[in-house]
Amino acid sequence: EPEVTQTPSHQVTQMGQEVILRCVPISNHLYFYWYRQILGQKVEFLVSFYNNEISEKSEIFDDQFSVERPDGSNFTLKIRSTKLEDSAMYFCASSEGDVGNTIYFGEGSWLTVV
Amino acid sequence: QKEVEQDPGPLSVPEGAIVSLNCTYSNSAFQYFMWYRQYSRKGPELLMYTYSSGNKEDGRFTAQVDKSSKYISLFIRDSQPSDSATYLCAMRKGAQKLVFGQGTRLTINP
Repeated sequence: EPEVTQTPSHQVTQMGQEVILRCVPISNHLYFYWYRQILGQKVEFLVSFYNNEISEKSEIFDDQFSVERPDGSNFTLKIRSTKLEDSAMYFCASSEGDVGNTIYFGEGSWLTVV
Repeated sequence: QKEVEQDPGPLSVPEGAIVSLNCTYSNSAFQYFMWYRQYSRKGPELLMYTYSSGNKEDGRFTAQVDKSSKYISLFIRDSQPSDSATYLCAMRKGAQKLVFGQGTRLTINP
């Protein structure tokens, strides 16, 4: 069964460092997303991406965050200058279409900022 | 008032019991309703996806949506220890964004 894959599974980084989280969405999917889950809290939407541009973003997704689809298969989330409060599980997700289509999640990348 | 409310539990039931999980929501703009299962430190896995009010059944799982009451439920019949996980309700607002509940931690005791 096709799946969304994410790397790394776990990353520890020092405060202020840049981090890039990588994702390979399901191959025929056109919509890509990043969600975040701080330990013990709910899954929160960060950003959606379609046709090589951001289509929606939350208030969490400020200037320190950026997304990119550098080639035909990868989708990345960059955090420019990490803060302690960025420690969370980051989930990449994808869907074939928008309205009415199922969103499939990856296994997540656990980011620890120290 | 939170957009989506879900009792975080924990909920502990004996094997074979019927489990009822629920969410309420405040925004009548929500059109699509989902239940995801999440094992510890793993990604959400889609269980059920519904659009209209009413019931949808898939094996041991039944999803129920009552738009007039802004209330959704997931029923698990003949619960198994492997069903032990956190269950997340999620709702779709607009074209793309999912709004999740807090998640209910469920344990099925053998």
